[in-house]
Amino acid sequence: ETVLTQSPVTLSLSPGERATLSCGASQSVNSNYLAWYQQKPGLAPRLLIYDASSRATGIPDRFSGSGSGTDFTLTISRLEPEDFAVYYCQQYGNSPPITFGQGTRLEIK
Amino acid sequence: QLQLQESGSGLVKPSQTLSLTCAVSGGSISSGVYSWSWIRQPPGKGLEWIGYIYHTGSTYYNPSVKSRVTISVDRAKNQLSLKLTSVTAADTAVYFCAKLADSGYDFFDYWGQGILVTVSS
Repeated sequence: ETVLTQSPVTLSLSPGERATLSCGASQSVNSNYLAWYQQKPGLAPRLLIYDASSRATGIPDRFSGSGSGTDFTLTISRLEPEDFAVYYCQQYGNSPPITFGQGTRLEIK
Repeated sequence: QLQLQESGSGLVKPSQTLSLTCAVSGGSISSGVYSWSWIRQPPGKGLEWIGYIYHTGSTYYNPSVKSRVTISVDRAKNQLSLKLTSVTAADTAVYFCAKLADSGYDFFDYWGQGILVTVSS
């Protein structure tokens, strides 16, 4: 099983700032098949990024994904108030089983 | 627009069977390329993949629950189902149904709103 470790656990930033979230894998993720999701309280996760760097339909271009192998990054270029949420990475290159990271909470500073 | 809606018992006694359904609207569950999954989230914690059923009918389960879980599709009712036997308090979670991407890769592009299931006597 591929274990995903996200850092930091909590990130405190202000609107307008740049956010950088990391996801590290215990082994190389085949074909860089990694996705990112955003989850707000009481709601289901929403797909942001797939294949490490492709934005899902309707996702603003301030969200971008990068990385390969065992190290991946989600960047939010300029934070909007609605971006404060929990973010999860998920690998599907070494599935099954599918695995998720433990999440990064992005909070308003 | 595809929509998913979970339903089922919100309270299950320990050792009993958890049964949930996921109604799919806006599309056919048996569409040639649609594959489906269940994912859960214990209160205040992260996401755990339970398993999925491919459009071919093949199923794959997380080893952590493999001996207790069954995922199936009811084409006549256009719904997905989950059965988890011998539940304990550790199975208390919000359960989500989700659709795998049409590309055939195992990420999730549509989710239900989730249903909280509590295991308690």
